[in-house]
Amino acid sequence: AQSVTQLGSHVSVSEGALVLLRCNYSSSVPPYLFWYVQYPNQGLQLLLKYTSAATLVKGINGFEAEFKKSETSFHLTKPSAHMSDAAEYFCAVSVNAGGTSYGKLTFGQGTILTVHP
Amino acid sequence: DAGVIQSPRHEVTEMGQEVTLRCKPISGHNSLFWYRQTMMRGLELLIYFNNNVPIDDSGMPEDRFSAKMPNASFSTLKIQPSEPRDSAVYFCASRQNSGTYEQYFGPGTRLTVT
Repeated sequence: AQSVTQLGSHVSVSEGALVLLRCNYSSSVPPYLFWYVQYPNQGLQLLLKYTSAATLVKGINGFEAEFKKSETSFHLTKPSAHMSDAAEYFCAVSVNAGGTSYGKLTFGQGTILTVHP
Repeated sequence: DAGVIQSPRHEVTEMGQEVTLRCKPISGHNSLFWYRQTMMRGLELLIYFNNNVPIDDSGMPEDRFSAKMPNASFSTLKIQPSEPRDSAVYFCASRQNSGTYEQYFGPGTRLTVT
């Protein structure tokens, strides 16, 4: 079974600073990996996805993530934080194991990003 | 595209009452998922459907919860009777059964049971 661990339930950065949100996964087969963002009182919005093509994936709002198989990691980064980036971020993994799994998503516990002026 | 539509957005009810949450998935999507989000337990998958058929309901907490998908454009999640511990935000998500399996989420229904 697949699993996801997000290191750090809260991350705080200053506006303009680098954002780094950590995600490690466990999967016995090549995974698909996703980052979602949730703004207050809203649903989850897809930021970016890794699908076994390029290991460096670019998403919306200037975010990107790099798939590192040797480290089983998929960390999310943004070079310069904006106040509008304050939200909760979820890493998720999906494996197409056939049968009835149908690529079910397994989510991490989430990381709340706070951006200080 | 209207995205995933959920109703109501907020529901306040008294313990013991029946609650029905509704979801309209994105047109053309084959799978539909119901999640529950709480501070204590995070995001939990309750049940999902593929082509209107329930595939995995192992996340449904107990028999008080039931879900249906009578057609490709509508699903309900029902709680009967409701209890205060059911208070949470309930999300519906849908996706196509091809490509990279990303799910698209609705805005959620915030349920409060008093």
